[in-house]
Amino acid sequence: DAKTTQPPSMDCAEGRAANLPCNHSTISGNEYVYWYRQIHSQGPQYIIHGLKNNETNEMASLIITEDRKSSTLILPHATLRDTAVYYCIVTGSARQLTFGSGTQLTVLP
Amino acid sequence: DAGVTQSPTHLIKTRGQQVTLRCSPKSGHDTVSWYQQALGQGPQFIFQYYEEEERQRGNFPDRFSGHQFPNYSSELNVNALLLGDSALYLCASSFGYNEQFFGPGTRLTVL
Repeated sequence: DAKTTQPPSMDCAEGRAANLPCNHSTISGNEYVYWYRQIHSQGPQYIIHGLKNNETNEMASLIITEDRKSSTLILPHATLRDTAVYYCIVTGSARQLTFGSGTQLTVLP
Repeated sequence: DAGVTQSPTHLIKTRGQQVTLRCSPKSGHDTVSWYQQALGQGPQFIFQYYEEEERQRGNFPDRFSGHQFPNYSSELNVNALLLGDSALYLCASSFGYNEQFFGPGTRLTVL
């Protein structure tokens, strides 16, 4: 599975959009991009995933660049409850998720 | 609809002992994966069970073993506990290779 690179931390003002970047320059054609988040001491929560098209669900939007070497998770209106560690994972299937260090997102009031 | 459930919530053991952790998957899911999360780190994949067999395994010693039952629930067993086995143990379920949903975890402390 391709390696991902994320900034260690980011801040976002409450009510504003949070844009979390992820680099995955070695991604191969059959690998998906998955996003999970983990609020302190809880189990990770599935957010969204995609292959090459942009995706949107009730939680977030996923924008994947045309060359697929990077992606951005967008939380359109961040709330204090969105404060968490966000993990970007690239995998050929969801069978073995390899978690990196993730991005600590702090939503500020 | 109940999500993934795990028991117990917390557990304290001493070095050398054995421990069994339990997981019930989300309704409709047939695949269970186990992860270990040490303090301050991301979860690490231990193994995955499907149709009562271990389908894939991460880089964990044979002291870690598991089982899946006909109702898709699963157990994680760890023998000869070491201090370094202290961690949050997470169970995730999925339908086949679809997205995995995690339980709240079991916090294991080895003294």
